[in-house]
Amino acid sequence: SYELTQPPSVSVSPGQTASITCSGDKLGDKYACWYQQRPGQSPVLVIYQDSKRPSGIPERFSGSNSGNTATLTISGTQAMDEADYYCQTWDSSAGVFGGGTKLTVL
Amino acid sequence: EVQLVESGGGLVQPGGSLRLSCAASGFTFSIYEMNWVRQAPGKGLEWVSYISSSGSTIYYADSVKGRFTISRDNAKNSLYLQINSLRAEDTAVYYCARDGAVGQQLVRGYFDYWGQGTLVTVSS
Repeated sequence: SYELTQPPSVSVSPGQTASITCSGDKLGDKYACWYQQRPGQSPVLVIYQDSKRPSGIPERFSGSNSGNTATLTISGTQAMDEADYYCQTWDSSAGVFGGGTKLTVL
Repeated sequence: EVQLVESGGGLVQPGGSLRLSCAASGFTFSIYEMNWVRQAPGKGLEWVSYISSSGSTIYYADSVKGRFTISRDNAKNSLYLQINSLRAEDTAVYYCARDGAVGQQLVRGYFDYWGQGTLVTVSS
């Protein structure tokens, strides 16, 4: 079955740029999206179809997808961005999530 | 305002059954594909099942195939998940999630709205 691999944790200083990667075989040939989940809350879509940003999501969130890696980039990271982030795609009519990355802003 | 409200979770013994419901409001439910996604305590997200807008196309994760049944009632703006032969590893918060890519291919799909989730605990 298809797998997506994310780093378990990423740390960033306030105001700096955070990059979270998601790796999968020929992931660039598929569409990737990203979800943010704060503790005790439901996930929120932050990027869809590789690089599109839903209404209400700050411009500091951006995405890219090429080769075997999709990347979520958060520019000018704020304390409120501290959360778990999950990538997701579809393969053979099944949804696939990455294992999640805990973003720490310190 | 789009709202998805799950219900039906609870404590059930191994081998037991439950029927989860998701009440949708604030959008035209009948034109959207829908999904169930679960999250075990302290773990990541796991996609469970997909149903097309008409209910004619259904997919399941291998881990639940043959035990779970997804369905919908467009007249009642409701999504369901019948879960049978429950195992300890099915313990999780179950979310219903709307596919925002209305009318598009499955591969372009994404979950743009999520409910608050309902907790299923499988334990003797």
